[in-house]
Amino acid sequence: KQEVTQIPAALSVPEGENLVLNCSFTDSAIYNLQWFRQDPGKGLTSLLLIQSSQREQTSGRLNASLDKSSGRSTLYIAASQPGDSATYLCAVRARGFQKLVFGTGTRLLVSP
Amino acid sequence: EAGVTQFPSHSVIEKGQTVTLRCDPISGHDNLYWYRRVMGKEIKFLLHFVKESKQDESGMPNNRFLAERTGGTYSTLKVQPAELEDSGVYFCASSQVQGLVWNEQFFGPGTRLTVL
Repeated sequence: KQEVTQIPAALSVPEGENLVLNCSFTDSAIYNLQWFRQDPGKGLTSLLLIQSSQREQTSGRLNASLDKSSGRSTLYIAASQPGDSATYLCAVRARGFQKLVFGTGTRLLVSP
Repeated sequence: EAGVTQFPSHSVIEKGQTVTLRCDPISGHDNLYWYRRVMGKEIKFLLHFVKESKQDESGMPNNRFLAERTGGTYSTLKVQPAELEDSGVYFCASSQVQGLVWNEQFFGPGTRLTVL
């Protein structure tokens, strides 16, 4: 059974810092991994999707890496801004399945 | 292009009542998924439609939950009768047909269900 863990559960940083969010999964037989952002009371916004054959994906100040063999992914946020404050969720899609298995998320607060 | 929409955004009902949630996927997306987050836990999968067919309903908690997708467009999720533990946020997502490389899932804003 696939399990996804995200560390830390909460993170508070001053504006301008670079930061890393961690995601680990127990079964390396995945099809892809998605990082999402959720603002309070809102839905999920897809940030980056990494296929199992890829090592990383970049979008603006965001960079996500994937090490399938070790069951880990990281989301790197450069030059953080108060607008980055949100909950970040990692989800994996196991091979042979369409459903996503989610982690519990990391709640990020960036202070001005 | 409109994203995934869900209705209602909030619903408050009493235990034993019936509630129906609706999801309209992105136009052209044959895959439709229901997920939910209860009591501060992680988001969990409920079921997956491909067009009007249920592809995977392994996450449905019990037979009080009934999902339909008549005509392969919008979907409804009915809870009857609702129990206290059904409270949570119900998310809908959609994606393009299987076989495409990306197959990214796009999520709606969710329906917050409160059962009193």
